[in-house]
This record gives sequence, structure tokens and C-alpha cells, in this order.
Amino acid sequence: EADIYQTPRYLVIGTGKKITLECSQTMGHDKMYWYQQDPGMELHLIHYSYGVNSTEKGDLSSESTVSRIRTEHFPLTLESARPSHTSQYLCASTIDTSPLHFGNGTRLTVT
Amino acid sequence: TQLLEQSPQFLSIQEGENLTVYCNSSSVFSSLQWYRQEPGEGPVLLVTVVTGGEVKKLKRLTFQFGDARKDSSLHITAAQTGDTGLYLCAVHGSSNTGKLIFGQGTTLQVKP
Repeated sequence: EADIYQTPRYLVIGTGKKITLECSQTMGHDKMYWYQQDPGMELHLIHYSYGVNSTEKGDLSSESTVSRIRTEHFPLTLESARPSHTSQYLCASTIDTSPLHFGNGTRLTVT
Repeated sequence: TQLLEQSPQFLSIQEGENLTVYCNSSSVFSSLQWYRQEPGEGPVLLVTVVTGGEVKKLKRLTFQFGDARKDSSLHITAAQTGDTGLYLCAVHGSSNTGKLIFGQGTTLQVKP
């Protein structure tokens, strides 16, 4: 049962457009993460947050930005989408060092 | 270089066969997690192993953590088509941030 929700599931958009990928969780988790994953490949951490008003860049450099104004909400924004941004974006949350709960992802295609 | 090396990268077998996939590292970890990811979905936790030499069973899946806590294996007995997916091992990063570092995964295809 999913307690972490990502929208949209699929997005096809033209180059240069601004997009926001939404991620919300209802579990009260303090830690949230964004991973980028090409099909069938490993996950690369691009952003994480320890709590409200806390955001950090992950291990993989990304042109996206994130915000954490509310505990339950961790949106990711691309100001100007490019074909190189085509990928799957997975949001996850946890508390302490417990296992991650993942959303079902947003598959982004930039044409 | 990868912190976690998973092998094989791809595996295609017939239903009913047994298989083992591996997750290796030169580093020592306090714990290691295995996830399965089905197409179009996010990874789902299968198990966490924490003690060197530990063996955990989840129905037909057997997980083992190496004695030195540097490696782990996942053995599936009598694979079924529902076992098809991407199997990922993961460990926590160095600080207490909850960040997980993933291996590159093993893509398993079980054919009927």
C-alpha cells in the first residue's frame, strides 16, 4: 500500500519548458530523497532533505532544484527541460536509518 | 568505481530453475538491504541483513550476509515468472542521513 505518491506518472514535454515533479508522503517521515534512474539501471541520488527547510545535493550532479516547505511535500523542479533530462525520477522517504519507502516514479521524456 | 558490484547484470532463466545473484564490495557495512523493482514501479524492500554470516529466508528467497559483512547473496529456489524484476542491493552512506547507495542491479527474467 503506497503512502508516498508521485505525480505525474508519465510526462512528455518539449525542450525549454519548466516542470515540477510532485512527491508527497503521509507517514510523517523527516527524510526524503530524489533518485534518478535510467531503465533497468541503478539509482543515483540527486537530492535529499533531513526535514523542513533542509535540502542537500546528492551524489549525482543535477540541474534540478528541490524545496521542503512542508514535511510531507518534496517537489523537484527543472527550470528548462532538455532531452538529457529524460529519465525516471523516484522519490523516497524514511525515518532515522530505516529502509526507504519509494513512490512509483515519474517517467519523464523531453523531446 | 562502484561501491557495490552486483553480478550477474542480466539473467534469463526458465521457470523452476534455481539462481543466485551477488552483491560484493571491498568495504565493511553495518547492514545491507535488498530491494526488488518491477517495471514501472519503485523498489520495494525485501530484507535487511545486519549480522555477519546471517541467513534470512523469505519463502523461496534466501539471503546471506558474508561473515566479514562485505558481501551478500540472494538465492531463489524454483523461480517463478512473478520473480521477474530488477534486484538491487543497497547500503547506507557514511553519515547518519539515511542516504542509500545502490548497486547497479541484476535484471532477472523468468520465462514460463
